[in-house]
Amino acid sequence: DAGVIQSPRHEVTEMGQEVTLRCKPISGHNSLFWYRQTMMRGLELLIYFNNNVPIDDSGMPEDRFSAKMPNASFSTLKIQPSEPRDSAVYFCASSPGLIYEQYFGPGTRLTVT
Amino acid sequence: ELKVEQNPLFLSMQEGKNYTIYCNYSTTSDRLYWYRQDPGKSLESLFVLLSNGAVKQEGRLMASLDTKARLSTLHITAAVHDLSATYFCAVESGGSNYKLTFGKGTLLTVNP
Repeated sequence: DAGVIQSPRHEVTEMGQEVTLRCKPISGHNSLFWYRQTMMRGLELLIYFNNNVPIDDSGMPEDRFSAKMPNASFSTLKIQPSEPRDSAVYFCASSPGLIYEQYFGPGTRLTVT
Repeated sequence: ELKVEQNPLFLSMQEGKNYTIYCNYSTTSDRLYWYRQDPGKSLESLFVLLSNGAVKQEGRLMASLDTKARLSTLHITAAVHDLSATYFCAVESGGSNYKLTFGKGTLLTVNP
């Protein structure tokens, strides 16, 4: 199994630009999670989906962030406009269902200058 | 709001020694997870603890869960350098909320 796939692995952009992060979950997994990791705040859950439906987006920091899951094999996290404080590693994780352990992707390291 | 506290946050130990990492959480939960993260890498699942009294062991690592005390421990036996990493516990919010709240992590360094 290829595991969770994320792209890009690294992204450097200027403040004000739109950023789109992509995630392909493990085939057959019904739940998908987006996390952000920073030194200051640690690992934070941003949003999670079950069967492609957003269940809890209370961790999304503000309206500049949006996430979609148009089908079972693809999800995006978009930041528009980006700000320097959005610089972080963004992880996508998937699981067979909500009560199972989560498998993390390699992460996308985002730098906003 | 669920709070998860790990201690210590930094742990430097010699090879061959034993030590325990503690994970306390603030509200009732029956599911707790331990993850490992190597520098610059992703998170790897180590243990899933699903009930009070659960104990899991893998190699030199053993995890346990006491839901009444809201405490999980990760015990390291006869540490080796390859165990150097950051270890996170994560607690599920419970009820119909499957959100995981992570501790700040314990950076473990095993010295020869």
